Amino acid sequence: ETGVTQSPTHLIKTRGQQVTLRCSSQSGHNTVSWYQQALGQGPQFIFQYYREEENGRGNFPPRFSGLQFPNYSSELNVNALELDDSALYLCASSSRISGGRPLTDTQYFGPGTRLTVL
Amino acid sequence: GEDVEQSLFLSVREGDSSVINCTYTDSSSTYLYWYKQEPGAGLQLLTYIFSNMDMKQDQRLTVLLNKKDKHLSLRIADTQTGDSAIYFCAEVYSGNTPLVFGKGTRLSVIA
Repeated sequence: ETGVTQSPTHLIKTRGQQVTLRCSSQSGHNTVSWYQQALGQGPQFIFQYYREEENGRGNFPPRFSGLQFPNYSSELNVNALELDDSALYLCASSSRISGGRPLTDTQYFGPGTRLTVL
Repeated sequence: GEDVEQSLFLSVREGDSSVINCTYTDSSSTYLYWYKQEPGAGLQLLTYIFSNMDMKQDQRLTVLLNKKDKHLSLRIADTQTGDSAIYFCAEVYSGNTPLVFGKGTRLSVIA
């Protein structure tokens, strides 16, 4: 069974730039959630993707956007980077029964992408 | 509102038991999780407990849940230096999937 993978591992950008982070979900999982973890804090929910559509969003501005692909992998895009966007970005995958009501299923995390904005 | 609280630091001697505590505010939480994060790494799922359970044991790990007081604890028996990490408590609300995390407890194990 393949675990959750993320790329790149580290990234350095400057203010105003745009960044794309990638996540491959664990084998058999169809749902991907993204979290931002600032230094010394717990992870904060950004959004979740299921069936290639956004399915729930946390308190993040629209310049944070995402995609999910037919193979369930996902991208997180951040436009107009700000210094406060520097953080560890974590992707988590889980399963959801097709057609079922929202399911609190166990989320398995990838190793994260460390983004530094200068 | 949603809130998960944890003490920030815990220091124990190798071989002793560690107890990490967590309180949460929403009584509708259905699942409560413990994750471990080592330096520079992602989150590793340690264990979880359903809200209708009082206790769950998994090898060296024991989770206790007091729903009345909204208190969750993680006990690590025979703590080893490899257990040094940050431990996060997280809750999930019924009918909603985002995890709500505490700020994490940094466990230091002294040899």
